[in-house]
Amino acid sequence: SQQGEEDPQALSIQEGENATMNCSYKTSINNLQWYRQNSGRGLVHLILIRSNEREKHSGRLRVTLDTSKKSSSLLITASRAADTASYFCATDRGTSYGKLTFGQGTILTVHP
Amino acid sequence: GAGVSQSPSNKVTEKGKDVELRCDPISGHTALYWYRQSLGQGLEFLIYFQGNSAPDKSGLPSDRFSAERTGGSVSTLTIQRTQQEDSAVYLCASSLHGGWEETQYFGPGTRLLVL
Repeated sequence: SQQGEEDPQALSIQEGENATMNCSYKTSINNLQWYRQNSGRGLVHLILIRSNEREKHSGRLRVTLDTSKKSSSLLITASRAADTASYFCATDRGTSYGKLTFGQGTILTVHP
Repeated sequence: GAGVSQSPSNKVTEKGKDVELRCDPISGHTALYWYRQSLGQGLEFLIYFQGNSAPDKSGLPSDRFSAERTGGSVSTLTIQRTQQEDSAVYLCASSLHGGWEETQYFGPGTRLLVL
Protein backbone atom coordinates (compact mmCIF):
# COMPACT_ATOMS: atom_id res chain seq x y z
CA SER A 1 0.00 0.00 0.00
CA GLN A 2 1.16 3.55 -0.69
CA GLN A 3 2.32 5.18 2.51
CA GLY A 4 2.98 8.66 1.27
CA GLU A 5 0.88 10.32 -1.34
CA GLU A 6 1.72 13.72 -2.64
CA ASP A 7 -0.47 16.22 -4.29
CA PRO A 8 -0.49 17.79 -6.67
CA GLN A 9 1.15 15.25 -8.95
CA ALA A 10 2.45 18.10 -11.06
CA LEU A 11 2.84 21.81 -10.40
CA SER A 12 3.83 24.50 -12.87
CA ILE A 13 4.65 28.02 -11.68
CA GLN A 14 6.59 31.12 -12.64
CA GLU A 15 9.90 32.12 -11.08
CA GLY A 16 9.40 34.10 -7.92
CA GLU A 17 6.14 32.42 -7.00
CA ASN A 18 5.76 30.09 -4.05
CA ALA A 19 5.26 26.36 -4.52
CA THR A 20 3.32 24.24 -2.06
CA MET A 21 3.30 20.46 -2.13
CA ASN A 22 1.35 18.21 0.20
CA CYS A 23 1.91 14.71 1.47
CA SER A 24 -0.35 12.32 3.32
CA TYR A 25 0.59 9.09 5.05
CA LYS A 26 -1.21 6.26 6.75
CA THR A 27 0.77 4.84 9.68
CA SER A 28 2.48 6.30 12.73
CA ILE A 29 5.91 7.78 12.12
CA ASN A 30 9.04 8.90 13.92
CA ASN A 31 9.78 11.49 11.32
CA LEU A 32 8.92 12.64 7.82
CA GLN A 33 11.50 13.68 5.29
CA TRP A 34 11.43 15.51 1.98
CA TYR A 35 13.74 14.65 -0.87
CA ARG A 36 14.38 16.19 -4.24
CA GLN A 37 15.25 14.34 -7.44
CA ASN A 38 16.60 15.83 -10.63
CA SER A 39 16.25 14.05 -13.96
CA GLY A 40 15.09 10.76 -12.46
CA ARG A 41 18.39 9.92 -10.79
CA GLY A 42 19.80 10.31 -7.26
CA LEU A 43 17.77 11.84 -4.48
CA VAL A 44 18.95 14.71 -2.33
CA HIS A 45 17.77 15.08 1.24
CA LEU A 46 16.11 18.44 1.87
CA ILE A 47 14.70 18.45 5.36
CA LEU A 48 13.56 16.16 8.18
CA ILE A 49 10.78 16.95 10.60
CA ARG A 50 10.22 14.86 13.71
CA SER A 51 6.79 13.66 14.74
CA ASN A 52 6.81 16.01 17.75
CA GLU A 53 7.57 19.06 15.60
CA ARG A 54 4.97 21.12 13.79
CA GLU A 55 7.06 23.34 11.58
CA LYS A 56 10.62 23.55 10.38
CA HIS A 57 12.53 25.97 8.16
CA SER A 58 15.62 25.62 6.06
CA GLY A 59 16.52 28.52 3.79
CA ARG A 60 13.62 28.95 1.36
CA LEU A 61 11.99 25.73 2.52
CA ARG A 62 9.26 25.50 5.10
CA VAL A 63 7.83 22.16 6.17
CA THR A 64 4.79 21.61 8.34
CA LEU A 65 3.58 18.40 9.91
CA ASP A 66 0.13 17.62 11.25
CA THR A 67 0.23 14.19 12.85
CA SER A 68 -3.48 14.31 13.69
CA LYS A 69 -4.25 14.56 9.98
CA LYS A 70 -1.24 12.47 8.97
CA SER A 71 -0.17 15.11 6.52
CA SER A 72 2.75 17.36 5.72
CA SER A 73 3.39 20.24 3.39
CA LEU A 74 6.52 21.57 1.75
CA LEU A 75 6.60 25.23 0.81
CA ILE A 76 9.32 26.61 -1.44
CA THR A 77 9.31 30.38 -1.37
CA ALA A 78 10.55 32.68 -4.15
CA SER A 79 11.02 29.76 -6.51
CA ARG A 80 13.79 29.64 -9.10
CA ALA A 81 14.11 27.78 -12.36
CA ALA A 82 16.76 25.62 -10.65
CA ASP A 83 14.07 24.34 -8.26
CA THR A 84 12.57 22.39 -11.16
CA ALA A 85 12.65 18.77 -9.99
CA SER A 86 10.54 16.01 -8.47
CA TYR A 87 9.88 16.23 -4.76
CA PHE A 88 9.13 13.22 -2.58
CA CYS A 89 8.05 12.83 0.98
CA ALA A 90 9.26 9.79 2.86
CA THR A 91 8.33 8.28 6.19
CA ASP A 92 9.89 5.66 8.41
CA ARG A 93 6.58 4.06 9.45
CA GLY A 94 7.83 4.11 13.03
CA THR A 95 10.69 1.70 12.42
CA SER A 96 13.79 2.01 14.55
CA TYR A 97 15.99 2.55 11.55
CA GLY A 98 15.81 4.51 8.34
CA LYS A 99 13.80 2.18 6.15
CA LEU A 100 11.93 4.77 4.12
CA THR A 101 8.58 4.58 2.39
CA PHE A 102 8.24 7.17 -0.36
CA GLY A 103 5.27 8.87 -1.87
CA GLN A 104 4.68 9.10 -5.60
CA GLY A 105 6.15 12.58 -5.78
CA THR A 106 5.25 15.99 -7.14
CA ILE A 107 6.84 17.17 -10.38
CA LEU A 108 7.59 20.86 -10.01
CA THR A 109 8.32 23.01 -13.05
CA VAL A 110 9.44 26.58 -12.50
CA HIS A 111 9.36 28.71 -15.63
CA PRO A 112 11.93 31.50 -15.93
CA GLY B 1 34.93 12.55 0.92
CA ALA B 2 33.25 11.17 -2.16
CA GLY B 3 29.55 10.47 -2.22
CA VAL B 4 27.79 7.20 -2.89
CA SER B 5 28.77 5.75 -6.22
CA GLN B 6 26.98 3.12 -8.28
CA SER B 7 27.94 1.15 -11.33
CA PRO B 8 27.09 0.71 -14.05
CA SER B 9 25.13 3.88 -14.74
CA ASN B 10 23.06 2.09 -17.34
CA LYS B 11 22.56 -1.56 -18.07
CA VAL B 12 20.68 -3.14 -20.94
CA THR B 13 20.18 -6.86 -20.74
CA GLU B 14 18.11 -9.55 -22.31
CA LYS B 15 15.30 -11.27 -20.52
CA GLY B 16 16.56 -14.30 -18.64
CA LYS B 17 20.08 -13.03 -18.09
CA ASP B 18 21.58 -12.30 -14.67
CA VAL B 19 22.78 -8.81 -13.73
CA GLU B 20 24.91 -7.43 -10.92
CA LEU B 21 24.63 -3.87 -9.71
CA ARG B 22 27.28 -2.36 -7.49
CA CYS B 23 27.14 0.26 -4.77
CA ASP B 24 30.05 1.97 -3.00
CA PRO B 25 28.75 3.77 0.08
CA ILE B 26 30.32 6.78 1.73
CA SER B 27 33.39 5.74 3.66
CA GLY B 28 32.56 5.13 7.31
CA HIS B 29 28.84 4.68 6.77
CA THR B 30 27.68 1.46 8.37
CA ALA B 31 24.15 1.46 6.97
CA LEU B 32 23.36 0.76 3.33
CA TYR B 33 20.00 0.67 1.58
CA TRP B 34 18.81 -0.42 -1.83
CA TYR B 35 15.68 1.08 -3.36
CA ARG B 36 14.02 0.61 -6.71
CA GLN B 37 12.21 3.28 -8.70
CA SER B 38 9.87 2.23 -11.47
CA LEU B 39 7.03 3.91 -13.30
CA GLY B 40 4.34 1.68 -11.92
CA GLN B 41 5.52 1.29 -8.33
CA GLY B 42 7.32 4.51 -7.51
CA LEU B 43 10.22 4.32 -5.04
CA GLU B 44 10.33 1.03 -3.13
CA PHE B 45 12.60 -0.18 -0.36
CA LEU B 46 14.40 -3.41 -1.24
CA ILE B 47 16.98 -4.27 1.42
CA TYR B 48 18.90 -2.77 4.35
CA PHE B 49 22.33 -3.63 5.74
CA GLN B 50 23.69 -2.36 9.04
CA GLY B 51 27.11 -3.42 10.22
CA ASN B 52 27.29 -7.14 10.91
CA SER B 53 23.59 -7.51 11.63
CA ALA B 54 21.37 -9.72 9.51
CA PRO B 55 20.02 -7.65 6.62
CA ASP B 56 16.37 -6.65 6.36
CA LYS B 57 15.35 -8.28 3.08
CA SER B 58 11.66 -7.61 3.48
CA GLY B 59 11.44 -5.46 0.36
CA LEU B 60 12.95 -7.89 -2.12
CA PRO B 61 10.18 -8.64 -4.65
CA SER B 62 11.13 -12.24 -5.39
CA ASP B 63 13.79 -14.87 -4.76
CA ARG B 64 15.43 -13.83 -8.01
CA PHE B 65 16.74 -10.82 -6.12
CA SER B 66 19.63 -11.07 -3.69
CA ALA B 67 22.18 -8.72 -2.24
CA GLU B 68 25.34 -8.94 -0.26
CA ARG B 69 27.65 -6.55 1.43
CA THR B 70 31.23 -7.61 1.72
CA GLY B 71 33.48 -6.29 4.45
CA GLY B 72 30.83 -3.86 5.59
CA SER B 73 31.43 -1.64 2.60
CA VAL B 74 30.65 -2.39 -1.05
CA SER B 75 27.31 -3.97 -1.83
CA THR B 76 26.16 -5.94 -4.85
CA LEU B 77 22.54 -6.41 -5.85
CA THR B 78 22.04 -9.43 -8.09
CA ILE B 79 18.98 -10.10 -10.17
CA GLN B 80 18.80 -13.58 -11.64
CA ARG B 81 16.80 -14.53 -14.72
CA THR B 82 15.77 -10.94 -15.33
CA GLN B 83 12.24 -10.13 -16.42
CA GLN B 84 10.93 -7.08 -18.24
CA GLU B 85 9.19 -5.89 -15.09
CA ASP B 86 12.61 -5.63 -13.44
CA SER B 87 13.32 -2.60 -15.64
CA ALA B 88 13.75 0.32 -13.25
CA VAL B 89 16.29 2.64 -11.67
CA TYR B 90 18.03 0.95 -8.76
CA LEU B 91 19.16 3.41 -6.12
CA CYS B 92 21.59 2.83 -3.32
CA ALA B 93 21.86 4.99 -0.21
CA SER B 94 24.03 5.01 2.87
CA SER B 95 23.89 6.62 6.29
CA LEU B 96 26.22 6.79 9.23
CA HIS B 97 24.58 4.32 11.59
CA GLY B 98 21.16 3.63 10.09
CA GLY B 99 19.15 5.52 12.68
CA TRP B 100 15.75 6.87 11.74
CA GLU B 101 16.89 10.45 12.25
CA GLU B 102 19.84 10.21 9.94
CA THR B 103 20.10 11.63 6.46
CA GLN B 104 20.41 9.03 3.76
CA TYR B 105 22.81 9.90 0.96
CA PHE B 106 21.79 8.51 -2.38
CA GLY B 107 23.89 7.45 -5.31
CA PRO B 108 23.02 8.40 -8.90
CA GLY B 109 21.38 5.05 -9.53
CA THR B 110 21.67 2.32 -12.14
CA ARG B 111 19.09 2.41 -14.90
CA LEU B 112 18.28 -1.18 -15.85
CA LEU B 113 16.45 -2.03 -19.04
CA VAL B 114 15.43 -5.61 -19.66
CA LEU B 115 14.56 -6.32 -23.28
